[in-house]
Amino acid sequence: DSGVTQTPKHLITATGQRVTLRCSPRSGDLSVYWYQQSLDQGLQFLIQYYNGEERAKGNILERFSAQQFPDLHSELNLSSLELGDSALYFCASSGQGAPTFGYTFGSGTRLTVV
Amino acid sequence: AQTVTQSQPEMSVQEAETVTLSCTYDTSENNYYLFWYKQPPSRQMILVIRQEAYKQQNATENRFSVNFQKAAKSFSLKISDSQLGDTAMYFCAFMKQYSGNTPLVFGKGTRLSVIA
Repeated sequence: DSGVTQTPKHLITATGQRVTLRCSPRSGDLSVYWYQQSLDQGLQFLIQYYNGEERAKGNILERFSAQQFPDLHSELNLSSLELGDSALYFCASSGQGAPTFGYTFGSGTRLTVV
Repeated sequence: AQTVTQSQPEMSVQEAETVTLSCTYDTSENNYYLFWYKQPPSRQMILVIRQEAYKQQNATENRFSVNFQKAAKSFSLKISDSQLGDTAMYFCAFMKQYSGNTPLVFGKGTRLSVIA
């Protein structure tokens, strides 16, 4: 157990629907990062939050949004889902200082859009 | 923007042998960090090894070592005495010196199969 908790582990939904993925960072970590891993692709950075504030934005679609709550958990909202949104979505966290030792990753949420 | 390239989509190695996975990156930064992550079939991302760009000495963690060539922007991973449990996707990743918004940039990965 890495200490980063992602729920649900699996999600199957239809095109056009909206889903919410949840992430609880490791205890004490203030930064949360969301990544998308499509089939046979590397991890694509979506967005970073630090202590409730958005810090960096990557290739995140306008249909996607995220937030980090006062208790530091984060949610990634995906709307108007398309078949191409099917992927593994990872959350990672890092501590208050510089994340120069890398991130701690959760086990991911497998999203299947049918 | 930084990019990370892993030119070997798939590799295989016999158990107990040595294998080297390649990674190159492109950056104009002078100070940065490099990482290798392992993703086994369980899909968990596991940090294997890290390298600080300002250190000339290559990092080593047990059977895993790197060959860091800063001028060539190359960061290869050597796995010695390969074990069946090393079968996984391996991702090379880059992070520039921390500035408050420093996401890890990943390559597309190399799928390694260790054969008995």
